Amino acid sequence: DAEITQSPRHKITETGRQVTLACHQTWNHNNMFWYRQDLGHGLRLIHYSYGVQDTNKGEVSDGYSVSRSNTEDLPLTLESAASSQTSVYFCASSEGGGPDTQYFGPGTRLTVL
Amino acid sequence: KQEVTQIPAALSVPEGENLVLNCSFTDSAIYNLQWFRQDPGKGLTSLLLIQSSQREQTSGRLNASLDKSSGRSTLYIAASQPGDSATYLCAVYNTDKLIFGTGTRLQVFP
Repeated sequence: DAEITQSPRHKITETGRQVTLACHQTWNHNNMFWYRQDLGHGLRLIHYSYGVQDTNKGEVSDGYSVSRSNTEDLPLTLESAASSQTSVYFCASSEGGGPDTQYFGPGTRLTVL
Repeated sequence: KQEVTQIPAALSVPEGENLVLNCSFTDSAIYNLQWFRQDPGKGLTSLLLIQSSQREQTSGRLNASLDKSSGRSTLYIAASQPGDSATYLCAVYNTDKLIFGTGTRLQVFP
């Protein structure tokens, strides 16, 4: 069955370190998204991609970057981790061609000390 | 800027009750609206998606309605069960992005 996976599921890191969170989908979807979820804020969009070599900034993109070299993967990189980036991160994908159902991964809980 | 609000933030009901969760949005120019369920420590599961041209969608004991002109959607859960306990999120597709509400945390007790 097609699925979307994230790794690691839990990560503890120190302030200033570079961190990369992986997202892999086997739906063959064109669109991929990264969100963060924090108490009181709900889910907020960080970056998104509509296809290979395409990336776009979302609502809270400062301090994050993504790259899309193939259809299946959209890794999220924190260039220099900050305590404010402690959060739960979700990756999602959708087929593309218009607004349609997004399918979410299980999430990565990141703690920055 | 689109804002999505969900009321109530938390709800506790006895098993068997019919209940309504509310979602409101400030900009009626949406493409669709989606309801999700999130279990503790888990990802989001899509429950229902209502296209902007539709008024409602049904799946089993769930019924979601959409009134674009008033900027409102409701999720109706019939005959609630303890297994329905979760956080319910609504999200509107505005231009090319999903904008989420902060959710309603539902507890159904036996």
